Amino acid sequence: GAVVSQHPSWVICKSGTSVKIECRSLDFQATTMFWYRQFPKQSLMLMATSNEGSKATYEQGVEKDKFLINHASLTLSTLTVTSAHPEDSSFYICSAGSKGPGTHFGPGTRLLVL
Amino acid sequence: AQKITQTQPGMFVQEKEAVTLDCTYDTSDPSYGLFWYKQPSSGEMIFLIYQGSYDQQNATEGRYSLNFQKARKSANLVISASQLGDSAMYFCAMREFSGGSNYKLTFGKGTLLTVNP
Repeated sequence: GAVVSQHPSWVICKSGTSVKIECRSLDFQATTMFWYRQFPKQSLMLMATSNEGSKATYEQGVEKDKFLINHASLTLSTLTVTSAHPEDSSFYICSAGSKGPGTHFGPGTRLLVL
Repeated sequence: AQKITQTQPGMFVQEKEAVTLDCTYDTSDPSYGLFWYKQPSSGEMIFLIYQGSYDQQNATEGRYSLNFQKARKSANLVISASQLGDSAMYFCAMREFSGGSNYKLTFGKGTLLTVNP
């Protein structure tokens, strides 16, 4: 079955630093990937749609200059949280679509900003 | 307006019993798909079952079945013979196929299921 990986699974950083999270589709090509954020005991909120070879589409209220998305190839999308602050601490999860209706999620990345 | 509504923040069920998790949706798109995902404490999103808007029969996957009532816009998940490992958060989600949404999912707020021994 289709597999999506994320790296790192855990990251702890100091306030003000930037953190890069990678999302890879391992056995299929994904022209579109999605980045979600999930706060504790809440649902997944879509942050942005990552489009291969073009600019990402951000949801309302998501700062594009803070959450930089790059989709340089058909198997890799990266999310960079720039100048991270404690309020950016969250669970970040990506998804990608393959043939059929299914959407495949990565295992997620837990970010803790101190 | 919320597109996916899950009215049960938490549910309890005895082991080996069946449980129904509610989900209602709102869309004007005639072509859509409904998903249920399980999220254990590890955080991974585990796909459980899918129902397409044009599917004539209710979807089933092992112990999971989806009670699809299109006119009422509901897509309840039924878990039969609950197991302790079923304790998790359950999310209902919808994908609208028209307008190039391209795998974008909208999620409900989730239901936390606890299976008691």
